[in-house]
Amino acid sequence: NAGVTQTPKFRILKIGQSMTLQCTQDMNHNYMYWYRQDPGMGLKLIYYSVGAGITDKGEVPNGYNVSRSTTEDFPLRLELAAPSQTSVYFCASSSSNTEAFFGQGTRLTVV
Amino acid sequence: GEDVEQSLFLSVREGDSSVINCTYTDSSSTYLYWYKQEPGAGLQLLTYIFSNMDMKQDQRLTVLLNKKDKHLSLRIADTQTGDSAIYFCAEIQGRDDKIIFGKGTRLHILP
Repeated sequence: NAGVTQTPKFRILKIGQSMTLQCTQDMNHNYMYWYRQDPGMGLKLIYYSVGAGITDKGEVPNGYNVSRSTTEDFPLRLELAAPSQTSVYFCASSSSNTEAFFGQGTRLTVV
Repeated sequence: GEDVEQSLFLSVREGDSSVINCTYTDSSSTYLYWYKQEPGAGLQLLTYIFSNMDMKQDQRLTVLLNKKDKHLSLRIADTQTGDSAIYFCAEIQGRDDKIIFGKGTRLHILP
């Protein structure tokens, strides 16, 4: 199994550009999450989803959007990139009451 | 949701025991987790404990759970240089059972 796959692994954006971070999982998990991890810091929850068609804001949703049209995919959209969004982004998935599986992360730099 | 609290740093001499503490928020969390993040990598599940247990031992790892105080700890016996990482505790929080992480404890091994 591939588990949780994130693309791209690295990206440099200019201020004001937009992009979509892709996340897909092949474990049929109903829960999916997006976290950001700033340098030397812990995880902050951006958005999460408890199933297809359902999304909810986490701790730091401003500047981001998500959609969950299928169980497998949970893309994260940045509409107007800002330097404050320079971070490592992790996607994760889980079933109810089980461990979360993480992708390898997307390192984003906004210049 | 409320914050899962951890101290940010811990320094331990090689060969000593490391104890990483966590205070969680949701007393109905059925599982509590410890994740390990090595430099430049994603998070990997290290161990977990079911909420009806007080202690779980797995080789060098001992997890203690105090439900009354909502306190979780991870003890690593005979700490090695390969244990240098960030350790995150996590709980299942809220009616929608989302997984919420602490900010992580950076374990530094002294020679």
